[in-house]
Amino acid sequence: ETVLTQSPGTLSLSPGERATLFCRASQSVSSDFLAWYQQKPGQAPRLVMYGVSKRATGIPDRFSGSGSGTDFTLTVSQVEPEDFAMYFCQQYGVSPWTFGQGTRVEIK
Amino acid sequence: EVQLVESGGGLVQPGGSLRLSCATSGFQFGNYWMHWVRQAPGKGPVWVSRISSSGTDTSYADSVKGRFTISRDNANSTLFLQMDNLGAEDTALYYCARDHGTGWYYFEDWGRGILVTVSS
Repeated sequence: ETVLTQSPGTLSLSPGERATLFCRASQSVSSDFLAWYQQKPGQAPRLVMYGVSKRATGIPDRFSGSGSGTDFTLTVSQVEPEDFAMYFCQQYGVSPWTFGQGTRVEIK
Repeated sequence: EVQLVESGGGLVQPGGSLRLSCATSGFQFGNYWMHWVRQAPGKGPVWVSRISSSGTDTSYADSVKGRFTISRDNANSTLFLQMDNLGAEDTALYYCARDHGTGWYYFEDWGRGILVTVSS
């Protein structure tokens, strides 16, 4: 099973600051099949990024994804108030399809 | 607008059963693979099961294989999850999720989830 480890656990930022979230896989993620989701309390999770760097529908361009192999990054160039949430990475290259434990982006 | 609305959760005793439903709208349900994903309190999500567009092909996580059954009703755009022999480890928020297409295994849309609590 591919274990995904996200860091940091919590990121405390002020609006306008840059957010950098990391996701490390225990083995290489095939074909760059790595996605990111945003989750807010009481709401449905939302796909943010897929294929490492492809923004999902409706995701603003302040979100970007990068990485390959075992190390991946989600960056929010300037965090807006609506971006404060939990973020999960997920690999979909090999069964079982696994998620990280999440990074919480909170208001400082 | 795509909508997925789960129902059927609740409190059940160990060894009991529940049937979850997911009513969908806003997309051609019969064209997409569908999934169930669960999330225990304070943990990351865990993929549970998926079903092909036609319903003829299914797959399960090892932790639920033999106890859970996924099915779908394409005429009514509804997804189901029959859960039998439930244990405390099955306590979680259960999400219905739409595959990007047919077998991509990343999740384009999600419901808000339905809580399943297994406790005596």
